[in-house]
Amino acid sequence: RKEVEQDPGPFNVPEGATVAFNCTYSNSASQSFFWYRQDCRKEPKLLMSVYSSGNEDGRFTAQLNRASQYISLLIRDSKLSDSATYLCVVNSPFQEYGNKLVFGAGTILRVKS
Amino acid sequence: EAQVTQNPRYLITVTGKKLTVTCSQNMNHEYMSWYRQDPGLGLRQIYYSMNVEVTDKGDVPEGYKVSRKEKRNFPLILESPSPNQTSLYFCASRNSFAGGRSSYNEQFFGPGTRLTVL
Repeated sequence: RKEVEQDPGPFNVPEGATVAFNCTYSNSASQSFFWYRQDCRKEPKLLMSVYSSGNEDGRFTAQLNRASQYISLLIRDSKLSDSATYLCVVNSPFQEYGNKLVFGAGTILRVKS
Repeated sequence: EAQVTQNPRYLITVTGKKLTVTCSQNMNHEYMSWYRQDPGLGLRQIYYSMNVEVTDKGDVPEGYKVSRKEKRNFPLILESPSPNQTSLYFCASRNSFAGGRSSYNEQFFGPGTRLTVL
């Protein structure tokens, strides 16, 4: 079983739609959670952190459910420029050296006019 | 401008010909790492370094070497490349911590190196 699992998509949605991505993680000791965005053939960039209480950044809302080991990302009013691959990222604590980041394989979003 | 740079950006080579991909960051980050990205598999960590002269294997280290002689540089070395090392490679850096568990800091990636081994 992969440590971080995502639905690969692609999600094809019209402009203005609301779309939600889900992610599950297997390491119950994970402490930090993130969504990264990766444009085609470019490097990943941090989109937002995910906090236990849920957090919002403009049209983007992230939720965390520790009991179910589940993370979500909601995008409202989708724009063409939102088309990208969204990577779910979870830290995986080492015993001695802190944490490393584990990346999901990504969910592809295509927003069409 | 804070950034991670990698060179070359694109490389086509042949089996067995040693190559080095350079990585440099100007943010004074302690932690640096190398990833490869393959379709359906996502980003997998090859090697990482907690600080100068401290390196360790990631999840897929076979066939790769690294060194960390200076804080800003973290080259990836393929002594004898093989076709299964054809991939998109990313270098990354972030702040580290004194030890034990700590909060994470944002990780910055280089622009990527697309390597083809024939």
